[in-house]
Amino acid sequence: DSGVTQTPKHLITATGQRVTLRCSPRSGDLSVYWYQQSLDQGLQFLIQYYNGEERAKGNILERFSAQQFPDLHSELNLSSLELGDSALYFCASSVGRASGGVGANVLTFGAGSRLTVL
Amino acid sequence: QQQVKQSPQSLIVQKGGISIINCAYENTAFDYFPWYQQFPGKGPALLIAIRPDVSEKKEGRFTISFNKSAKQFSLHIMDSQPGDSATYFCAAQLTLASGYALNFGKGTSLLVTP
Repeated sequence: DSGVTQTPKHLITATGQRVTLRCSPRSGDLSVYWYQQSLDQGLQFLIQYYNGEERAKGNILERFSAQQFPDLHSELNLSSLELGDSALYFCASSVGRASGGVGANVLTFGAGSRLTVL
Repeated sequence: QQQVKQSPQSLIVQKGGISIINCAYENTAFDYFPWYQQFPGKGPALLIAIRPDVSEKKEGRFTISFNKSAKQFSLHIMDSQPGDSATYFCAAQLTLASGYALNFGKGTSLLVTP
């Protein structure tokens, strides 16, 4: 157990629907990251939050949104789902820092949420 | 655009052999290069990491070789064991004013045969 908890583990839904993936970071970690893993694209960085604020954005579609709550858990919302959104979605957390600090950013990943869009 | 290119996509090595996975990057602003190991059904976990001011880092059977001028780095697994069978991801970290962005390669699926 890495200490990062993701729910649900598996989710099957239909095109056009909306789902929410939840992540609880490791105790003491302030940063949360979301990654999408697919067979052909590997691990794609979506978005990062630090202590409730968005810090970095990657290849996140406009149909996707995320937030980090005061208790530091995070949710990734995926809407108007398409077949191509089927993937493993990983959450990772780190102690993080407000800025800078090379090497201070070791990520601990959760076990992932597998989304299947039919 | 893939910022970190990783090869090979898959690798089969006999027990006791050396596994070598290569990665290349373009952005010279990357400042931290970790390798992650992922077993089936699990999330990636940090294996070993290196900073660009170091040319080699060794931890047990795992060694990172880093060539800053060529913008390449590689993972060597000595005396490979069946328990090393996993997917390996190289990554490159960019430190931003507001946080970090960790860019992963597409991964290498390693199978170590008995």
